[in-house]
Amino acid sequence: QVQLVQSGAEVQKPGASVKVSCKASGYTFTSHHIHWVRQAPGQGLEWMGFIFSSGGTSYAQTFQGRLTVTRDTSTSTVYLELSSLTSEDTADYYCARDRGGGSYSVDVWGQGTTVTVSS
Amino acid sequence: QSALTQPPSASGSPGQSVTISCTGTSSDVGGYNYVSWYQQHPGKAPKLVIYEVTKRPSGVPDRFSGSKSGNTASLTVSGLQAEDEADYFCSSFAVRNSWVFGGGTKLTVL
Repeated sequence: QVQLVQSGAEVQKPGASVKVSCKASGYTFTSHHIHWVRQAPGQGLEWMGFIFSSGGTSYAQTFQGRLTVTRDTSTSTVYLELSSLTSEDTADYYCARDRGGGSYSVDVWGQGTTVTVSS
Repeated sequence: QSALTQPPSASGSPGQSVTISCTGTSSDVGGYNYVSWYQQHPGKAPKLVIYEVTKRPSGVPDRFSGSKSGNTASLTVSGLQAEDEADYFCSSFAVRNSWVFGGGTKLTVL
């Protein structure tokens, strides 16, 4: 079945960077975009950006300059790297597969990775 | 891109219908027919229940329906059941190839 499996929880200090992985299986990896969405404790969802099926990227203006999304097609894995962390980056980070067909929706989600930023 | 506006809470009794609104601008909700709705139970990842304003993924009950008028989209849950109690988030495609989510609505089944 289609699955996205994310790396484990992270604890980072302010000013550091974090890299979260998302391994896809059960479908043709290069046929779907992959999005990153985060959710701070008790808060709503926040779209961060995505990597196109072609490999290009688009990021939310909020994260321009400190967010990088990459992928390794040989392992069907997408990576999110967020730099210059502050306490406001403490959140659950989800990768999610774009449904495709121009629907601009996501139909499969990873299990989430908790990132805690604390000194 | 500012978050879409949703009411923080909604409620209804079993069997009733509830409608949740999602208000944006002409740069997102009003400009594109790409509004989606997601259901999230506590401690779980979100689940897609409506896409492209009105369409339901396979496996989602037809008690869930979506609509849009101008800059406001709506999700209606008919025949409320206990398992419908969850947080609901709308999202929309927006200008400059971006996405935006709503702040979420907590649906309580009384």
